[in-house]
Amino acid sequence: QVQLVQSGAEVKKPGASVKVSCKASGYTFTNNYMHWVRQAPGQGLEWMGRINPHNGDTKYAQKFQGRVTMTRDTSISTAYMEVSRLRSDDTAVYYCASEVDYYGLDVWGQGTTVTVS
Amino acid sequence: SDLSQPPSLSVSPGQTASITCSGHKLENKYTCWYQQKPGQTPVLVIYQNNKRPSGIPERISGSNSGNTATLTISGTQAMDEADYYCQAWDSSTVIFGGGTKLTVL
Repeated sequence: QVQLVQSGAEVKKPGASVKVSCKASGYTFTNNYMHWVRQAPGQGLEWMGRINPHNGDTKYAQKFQGRVTMTRDTSISTAYMEVSRLRSDDTAVYYCASEVDYYGLDVWGQGTTVTVS
Repeated sequence: SDLSQPPSLSVSPGQTASITCSGHKLENKYTCWYQQKPGQTPVLVIYQNNKRPSGIPERISGSNSGNTATLTISGTQAMDEADYYCQAWDSSTVIFGGGTKLTVL
């Protein structure tokens, strides 16, 4: 079945970096954009950006430009999202999500909790 | 551009819940809606303004006109209690509304 499986929870100190992975299965990884969305505790959804796994092209939300890097490894159908210069307000659940069957984010990873403290 | 949603909405079981999402020239953009229950990942319930993914009940519907998209839940049930987020595309970026907490009293 179509599935996105993310890496485990992370605890980081302010100023450090974190890299979250998202492994796709059950569909052709290079056919669909991979998006990254975060949700701070008790807050709403915030789009961070997306990568085209086919050619590596990226589009970042203006807020995250210069601090977030999205990459992929097509050989293992895995997307990565790295946040540098972490701050306490980066504490959140980070999701990868893709448009697989519909024009919307219809497949989501289970989420990765990143705590900056 | 921003998408504005009411922070909360309360309905009685069996009533119709209408959640709005306002944004500049929103009718020119495709909108989606997501349902998120506590501790769970978001679920796509409406895409392209008014289409339902497989498995989403017919009592959930969407519309988009002018500057406002609307998610309508007919015959609201206790299981519909959740946070709902609208989402649109704007110049190749994705924008989310702030979310609406639907309470079924």
